Amino acid sequence: AQSVTQLGSHVSVSEGALVLLRCNYSSSVPPYLFWYVQYPNQGLQLLLKYTSAATLVKGINGFEAEFKKSETSFHLTKPSAHMSDAAEYFCAVSDPNTGTASKLTFGTGTRLQVTL
Amino acid sequence: NAGVTQTPKFRVLKTGQSMTLLCAQDMNHEYMYWYRQDPGMGLRLIHYSVGEGTTAKGEVPDGYNVSRLKKQNFLLGLESAAPSQTSVYFCASRYRVGGISHEQYFGPGTRLTVT
Repeated sequence: AQSVTQLGSHVSVSEGALVLLRCNYSSSVPPYLFWYVQYPNQGLQLLLKYTSAATLVKGINGFEAEFKKSETSFHLTKPSAHMSDAAEYFCAVSDPNTGTASKLTFGTGTRLQVTL
Repeated sequence: NAGVTQTPKFRVLKTGQSMTLLCAQDMNHEYMYWYRQDPGMGLRLIHYSVGEGTTAKGEVPDGYNVSRLKKQNFLLGLESAAPSQTSVYFCASRYRVGGISHEQYFGPGTRLTVT
């Protein structure tokens, strides 16, 4: 069974500082990986996705993530945090072998706080 | 396009009452999903549908039923609400064509409280 671990339920950074949100996955086959962002009282919005093409994936709002098979990781980064980045971030994995339903397994989320 | 919409946005139920949550999408997506979100637990899949007239159980299906009579709608029912079903419920949908790499599109959520 696939699983996702997000280290750190809360991360606080200063505006302009590097953002690093960690995600490790467990899957018996090369997975598809996603990062979603949730702003307060809203639904989830896709930031970026890895689908076995380039290992460095660029997303919206200046975020990017690198797929590292040897470390089973898919960490999310942004060089310079902005106040508007404050939100909850979810990593999710989809096992290609679960059929076309493509069920997602989510991590427990990381709340990002950005301070002045 | 409105994308994925959910009705209602908020609801308070008493234990034992029933209700139906409606999800609608106008993107002609084949696949639809219902999740619940609880603090510290991420999102967990309740039920899903791979097409009109079909439904399947997800990770936490007990106490819920679903129906997909029309392609654009996916209904989630609680026959006898329990306090453990207090949660935020999200609906999502996805294309089938193009392979399973396509992301899911989420609605704004329904906040349900059962007292």
